[in-house]
Amino acid sequence: GENVEQHPSTLSVQEGDSAVIKCTYSDSASNYFPWYKQELGKRPQLIIDIRSNVGEKKDQRIAVTLNKTAKHFSLHITETQPEDSAVYFCAASNNAGKSTFGDGTTLTVKP
Amino acid sequence: DGGITQSPKYLFRKEGQNVTLSCEQNLNHDAMYWYRQDPGQGLRLIYYSQIVNDFQKGDIAEGYSVSREKKESFPLTVTSAQKNPTAFYLCASSTPGGREQYFGPGTRLTVT
Repeated sequence: GENVEQHPSTLSVQEGDSAVIKCTYSDSASNYFPWYKQELGKRPQLIIDIRSNVGEKKDQRIAVTLNKTAKHFSLHITETQPEDSAVYFCAASNNAGKSTFGDGTTLTVKP
Repeated sequence: DGGITQSPKYLFRKEGQNVTLSCEQNLNHDAMYWYRQDPGQGLRLIYYSQIVNDFQKGDIAEGYSVSREKKESFPLTVTSAQKNPTAFYLCASSTPGGREQYFGPGTRLTVT
């Protein structure tokens, strides 16, 4: 089955700096790669996603890149703000609808 | 945040008892999922259902059971066979193909 590894498990940055979180996956059949943000005590919510036919996608301060050959994808957050502090999860999904999640990255943005 | 609800928010049970967690959605989504979240770990898939009256085991199905008799509802039963049931349980739904998932608020189950 699919295996998703996410690094780092914790990340601390200064406000205004950039943050990068990386994930690797094992199953070449995975073709949809979402990123979810989970604030303390709340439910995960989608912040950005990318499909396997696209190499990069950007939405304001957030961007995701995908390297299908190397089977890795990354989340980039620029100009970080304290409200970006949360746990971020990557996931890999196939056409059968099954999603496998990474273990999460706890991002702390220090003011 | 509406559209998918879980009840109750907190649930306490004694060891050896079965317990059923509720999940309801009014998003008209075909697919529904149950995940377990433990501290420091990601979301692990318990069961998922792509269509009414059909469901598949996820990665950690042992000790759990589900039913999908209605499109709107996907209850999860945590049986006494589950060795370590204390956890945070999240239900989700999505459009066909398992793309963006919408999560419920979760149920925190404590078994003593």
